Amino acid sequence: AQSVTQPDIHITVSEGASLELRCNYSYGATPYLFWYVQSPGQGLQLLLKYFSGDTLVQGIKGFEAEFKRSQSSFNLRKPSVHWSDAAEYFCAVVSNSGYALNFGKGTSLLVTP
Amino acid sequence: ETGVTQSPTHLIKTRGQQVTLRCSSQSGHNTVSWYQQALGQGPQFIFQYYREEENGRGNFPPRFSGLQFPNYSSELNVNALELDDSALYLCASSLTTSGVHEQYFGPGTRLTVT
Repeated sequence: AQSVTQPDIHITVSEGASLELRCNYSYGATPYLFWYVQSPGQGLQLLLKYFSGDTLVQGIKGFEAEFKRSQSSFNLRKPSVHWSDAAEYFCAVVSNSGYALNFGKGTSLLVTP
Repeated sequence: ETGVTQSPTHLIKTRGQQVTLRCSSQSGHNTVSWYQQALGQGPQFIFQYYREEENGRGNFPPRFSGLQFPNYSSELNVNALELDDSALYLCASSLTTSGVHEQYFGPGTRLTVT
């Protein structure tokens, strides 16, 4: 079954520093991949998605992600982090069924002054 | 464009009781999916409704059931509540035409079972 793994449970970065959150997927063919962000007590907001085509995808809030088939990865990046980026980040892949999302366990981002 | 809305925001129930959670899909969307998010975990897929029928189901027991109405809104019903049902319940809407489409989530309903 399609699944994703987020190796980092917590990450701390300084405001203004660059950010990379890791996501590894398990799937034979080209997966449909997503990154969502969840602020405390809130629902999930879609940051970006990869279905096919250009392997570098741009999202909202200055985020981007790169699909690397050779590494089975879909890492999320941002060149300069703002304090408001502190949140929980989830990577997700569409399941075998084609309709359900399988989520990773999330990475909690803390931004320090 | 109206986003996904859910009600109530918070709910406290006693073990053994029944609960109904509600979701209004985003304007133009015809499909609703429900997810359970336990504390510190990623969301887990419960089921999806399309054209008022269950379109797929995750690994949840039959006491989790749902409905979708002609206006595409949806309900999640949980019978015989257990302590482990305490979680954030998220509704997501999408437009099913062909292929894969992104899901847009509501703010969730926080259910506490005591």
